[in-house]
Amino acid sequence: DIQMTQSPSTLSASIGDRVTITCRASQSISSWLAWYQQKPGKAPKLLISKASSLESGVPSRFSGSGAGTEFTLTISSLQPDDFATYYCQQYNTNSETFGQGTKVEIK
Amino acid sequence: EVQLVESGGGLIQPGGSLRLSCAASGFTVYNNYMTWVRQAPGKGLEWVSVIYSGGNTFYADSVKGRFIISRDYSKNTLYLQMNSLRVEDTAVYYCTNRVYWGQGTLVTVSS
Repeated sequence: DIQMTQSPSTLSASIGDRVTITCRASQSISSWLAWYQQKPGKAPKLLISKASSLESGVPSRFSGSGAGTEFTLTISSLQPDDFATYYCQQYNTNSETFGQGTKVEIK
Repeated sequence: EVQLVESGGGLIQPGGSLRLSCAASGFTVYNNYMTWVRQAPGKGLEWVSVIYSGGNTFYADSVKGRFIISRDYSKNTLYLQMNSLRVEDTAVYYCTNRVYWGQGTLVTVSS
């Protein structure tokens, strides 16, 4: 199975900060990568698919980039609603896998 | 409006069986890629199983041989039959097609 490794595991940031989360795949997944946001007690929300395609209704401060094995999720200016846990997910193979998550906390 | 509503969770003893359901509205389960994803208490997301529009199914190694994903065209419902349940299967189970997610149903495996 393809392993997905996110870094950092926890990130402390302030309102207005630029935030970057990295996701690395153990082998190439082309651009078959999604990013999700999850808040406590809620289902995940899809932010980005195919590595860089922003879902409808997602604020433009979110962006995704990368291909192959290295991917990033960037929040250009952190807002109060963005404090949450973020997950990457590969769907290049029939056995999909998630990263372990990155918790974005208030500094 | 698309809605996915899971049901069927509960407390079950190790070795037991449960069937989860995911009823869809505003969306056709049968013609779509659908998955089950679970989240153990305080832990991250774990992909469990997928059924493609053509009917092919795949499973995570942790549930292979014990869980079965299926769907019912007439009921527009996705299912997850879970057999030989283990303590480590305790989690909230979500049905999703990646864009749309249900609210989740909690499965607790404990004696």
